[in-house]
Amino acid sequence: EVQLVESGGGLVKPGRSLRLSCTASGFTFGDYAMAWFRQAPGKGLEWVGFIRSKADGEATEYTASVKGRFTISRDDSKSLAYLQMNSLKTEDTAVYYCTRDRPIDYWGQGTLVTVSS
Amino acid sequence: QTVVTQEPSLTVSPGGTVTLTCASSTGAVTSDYYSNWFQQKPGQAPRALIYSTNNKHSWTPARFSGSLLGGKAALTLSGVQPEDEAEYYCLLYYGGTQLWVFGGGTKLTVL
Repeated sequence: EVQLVESGGGLVKPGRSLRLSCTASGFTFGDYAMAWFRQAPGKGLEWVGFIRSKADGEATEYTASVKGRFTISRDDSKSLAYLQMNSLKTEDTAVYYCTRDRPIDYWGQGTLVTVSS
Repeated sequence: QTVVTQEPSLTVSPGGTVTLTCASSTGAVTSDYYSNWFQQKPGQAPRALIYSTNNKHSWTPARFSGSLLGGKAALTLSGVQPEDEAEYYCLLYYGGTQLWVFGGGTKLTVL
């Protein structure tokens, strides 16, 4: 059974950093691209970015609002994907989800990140 | 800035048929946009329904179908069930910039 579990969320002050993890199981992690999405309280979904598989060069892309601040990485040996978030802003407050990509199919339950002073 | 537009809300009767659409500010949506559709119920994570315009996941009920309609991506629900009441989001891929953009969501009420 495919499972994705996000962790690492919490309360953080503006300007600080936070790293989210996505623990995958039930499939060959290294064969898949992975993506991150987020949803601000009471708002719609937003794509954050993706990381392709090692076979595709682990290329990354990001939405404009996080480019230069967020970094997606992966550790295939541990079946983990990461979302490193730097210079956090209050508007980054959201539930963050990881998914498999190409196609986007399985979703985790999400982890809440609150950016507030 | 690219904008993806969905109907804010739709209402359908149980057993009826409803079509949700997804338009791009850049022009007609084609298969090159690899449109995806997701269902989200309150307090839950989104659930993927359709990918690459009209492909279903193994768990997608048969009553859901994806297509292209009049220059838009479309999600049709045939024989709507009460449990289909939810928010539905479309997602389009812009290959030139390798970015994905969501629509604002359609709140579907089954009444």
